[in-house]
Formats: sequence, C-alpha cells, structure tokens
Amino acid sequence: QKEVEQNSGPLSVPEGAIASLNCTYSDRGSQSFFWYRQYSGKSPELIMFIYSNGDKEDGRFTAQLNKASQYVSLLIRDSQPSDSATYLCAVTLYGNKLVFGAGTILRVKS
Amino acid sequence: DTEVTQTPKHLVMGMTNKKSLKCEQHMGHRAMYWYKQKAKKPPELMFVYSYEKLSINESVPSRFSPECPNSSLLNLHLHALQPEDSALYLCASSQDWKGARGYTFGSGTRLTVV
Repeated sequence: QKEVEQNSGPLSVPEGAIASLNCTYSDRGSQSFFWYRQYSGKSPELIMFIYSNGDKEDGRFTAQLNKASQYVSLLIRDSQPSDSATYLCAVTLYGNKLVFGAGTILRVKS
Repeated sequence: DTEVTQTPKHLVMGMTNKKSLKCEQHMGHRAMYWYKQKAKKPPELMFVYSYEKLSINESVPSRFSPECPNSSLLNLHLHALQPEDSALYLCASSQDWKGARGYTFGSGTRLTVV
C-alpha cells in the first residue's frame, strides 16, 4: 500500500462546476494534511492545510478530513480554467516526513 | 520576506563535474529540505535538516552531499552524477521540524546531466 494515494486523473470539469479531489493515507498517526497546487514546470504551492476532522473553508476551496477513514479531500467551487493544474495531497508521516501523493491532474474546460 | 530562493534556476553538468545547488530563506524557519522531482511524478524527499543538523537522509546516493552552513542557507553538492539524476530539485523550509503549517517551496533548480 502506498503511503499517500490519489487518483491520477485527469479529472475534467466544466467551468463553474465543483471539482472534488480525493486522497487516502496509510499512517493512522498522521496529524497534518496539506493540499498543494502545481502548475506545469513550476514548484508546488500550498493552498490548504487541515489538522482536525471536519471541513475547513478558504474562499473557493474546502478541505475535508476524516481520520477514522484515513481520507482527506479538496473541493473547488466555481472552478475556473486557471485552476487547471496538478493537485498534490501531502501528509506528514511518522511525525516529521512530508510525503506526497502522485497528484491528480485537474482540467477545467471553458 | 516569505520566499525560498534557489540558484541556479537551470544547470547542465557533465558526469565528471562538481557543482552545487543553493537555497536561502529569511523567514526564520528552522527546518529545511531537499526534494527531487522527476517529470510527471510527485516530489520525493531526499534530506531533512532541523536546527542545522541533518535529521533524515532518505538513502540518497553519496554523489549527493547536503550542507547547512547556517539557519538560512542550504546547499546540495553534486559530484559524478548520472543522466538519470536529471530532475527538478526543490528546496523547502518550514517553521520547525514538524512542518505543521506546511512547507514553503522554492522555484527549483532544473538539472540536466549529460
């Protein structure tokens, strides 16, 4: 089992729709969870972090965490073509290692 | 200053060359990291420095040698690399070794080994 798993996609959504990105992780003791966005040829950019079960909202982005199911998700409302990128789920494993999932390619069609 | 600065942005080196990648941050972060990213793959952790001491080496070959001269600087010394080492090398920093508020990444050095 991979430490952090994501569906590689691509996930295609029309402009204005909600994009839903999912991630599972293996370390039940993980405490910190992150979503990074990476445009082609650029470095990862942190867009959300979440520590507690439930939802955390920031503008058009909502992160959801369910520690019992070892599941974290990212919702992007009112998706825009500029949201087209690879979204990387990252989890702090074993206390101090940030490990990335393979990333999900999101394509927003105008 | 909320940036991590990496130099050079691009580097082409021969397999017998010695070169160094540099990383600098002035956010007062006490943990710094090197990641390697191949095309269409996620970043892979190479080294972790916490309070200027090497705390994690992810079984990286000795042809990669990290150095942390002070709390703001991180270097990666390269020697006798192989073509398969060509990748984007990313430096990151965080407030402390737990990285609870996430890592800030530099723009990376795109390395080509010929």
